[in-house]
Amino acid sequence: EVQLVESGGGLVQPGGSLRLSCAASGFTFSSYWMSWVRQAPGKGLEWVANIKQDGSEKYYVDSVKGRFTISRDNAKNSLYLQMNSLRAEDTAVYYCARELELEIDYWGQGTLVTVSS
Amino acid sequence: QSALTQPASVSGSPGQSITISCTGTSSDVGSYNLVSWYQQHPGKAPKLMIYEVSKRPSGVSNRFSGSKSGNTASLTISGLQAEDEADYYCCSYAGSSTSYVFGTGTKVTVL
Repeated sequence: EVQLVESGGGLVQPGGSLRLSCAASGFTFSSYWMSWVRQAPGKGLEWVANIKQDGSEKYYVDSVKGRFTISRDNAKNSLYLQMNSLRAEDTAVYYCARELELEIDYWGQGTLVTVSS
Repeated sequence: QSALTQPASVSGSPGQSITISCTGTSSDVGSYNLVSWYQQHPGKAPKLMIYEVSKRPSGVSNRFSGSKSGNTASLTISGLQAEDEADYYCCSYAGSSTSYVFGTGTKVTVL
């Protein structure tokens, strides 16, 4: 069974940093592209970033470019999102998601990030 | 990249059929047969219901079906049931740098 478990969310002040983690199990992690998708409170889904199987390609939504960094450790079956210079508009539930042939098929339960003073 | 356009809400009585539209552009929905649909109940993670426009993952009821014409994709739920009440989001692949664009979301209410 595919499982994706996020951690690392919490309350952070504007301008602060946070690192999210996602522990994957139930599939060969190193064979899949992985994504982060977020959902602001009461709002819709927004794709944030993704990373190729070996980490050689990474893509980001324009609003987080230069502030967020996606990475992975295939030996630990883990995906990460380093978030710097956080803004109030980054407040959201962040989901770790698996990609299969250019579509997202599995999602974690999400971790809440709140940016507020 | 702008979000795909969905109606804010759709409702129907038990047993009826409803259709949710998802309108994009020639850069996303119109360019790829890579439209997926997700069901999200309150406080839960999204669940894949349709992929590659019209394919159903194992375990998803055949009451759910998808289609696409030009820049607009559609999700049809037939034989509406109380458990279908949820938010539904479409998603399209939009090229390597943009990757994915989601729809604005549709709240389905079973009357």
